[in-house]
Amino acid sequence: GAGVSQSPSNKVTEKGKDVELRCDPISGHTALYWYRQRLGQGLEFLIYFQGNSAPDKSGLPSDRFSAERTGESVSTLTIQRTQQEDSAVYLCASSSSSGQGNSPLHFGNGTRLTVT
Amino acid sequence: AQSVTQLGSHVSVSEGALVLLRCNYSSSVPPYLFWYVQYPNQGLQLLLKYTTGATLVKGINGFEAEFKKSETSFHLTKPSAHMSDAAEYFCAVSRGYQKVTFGIGTKLQVIP
Repeated sequence: GAGVSQSPSNKVTEKGKDVELRCDPISGHTALYWYRQRLGQGLEFLIYFQGNSAPDKSGLPSDRFSAERTGESVSTLTIQRTQQEDSAVYLCASSSSSGQGNSPLHFGNGTRLTVT
Repeated sequence: AQSVTQLGSHVSVSEGALVLLRCNYSSSVPPYLFWYVQYPNQGLQLLLKYTTGATLVKGINGFEAEFKKSETSFHLTKPSAHMSDAAEYFCAVSRGYQKVTFGIGTKLQVIP
């Protein structure tokens, strides 16, 4: 595919259930980010993967949130015991960062999560 | 550490008027700077970027931004606003392997 792909595009879940969101970055992109965007709000950084380095998890809001990345490919963001406050659009972005930081991010269309 | 400040979370301009969205950054090393745009119900896309070279950079849809090191600014401008410019605009800074840092975003409203 030509762009960053996220699935599902929409997810409705009941409070207390676990959800798993998937991101397929552009092939060859070593950097991958997850962001959360609540309705009417800006981007909230969650986690950053760069190559084989340890991920930067400083933005994860609680231990209910976790993310994994397999090598330089697919990433999954897991939210356990979902709460209504978790309702938001979750955006994934990837970059072909060479370590200089001059490559732009390519964003997926996001997963809209609604917790009822 | 690096940071981005976007002055004005909401900006309103009349159609045909100048658009000016402000962005100031803080970085301990020369930064790379980006503007992204998010149209309603769409994902973010790159508008323009500054890495090296010419400090005035041009992007899509008639937007441009000027990197001013002395003012640590990277303001986004467009001479004449169009209704289709209504969107949210995000300024971002990066350098090396540091994660990209985004500003809080500025929602641009264009009044007919």
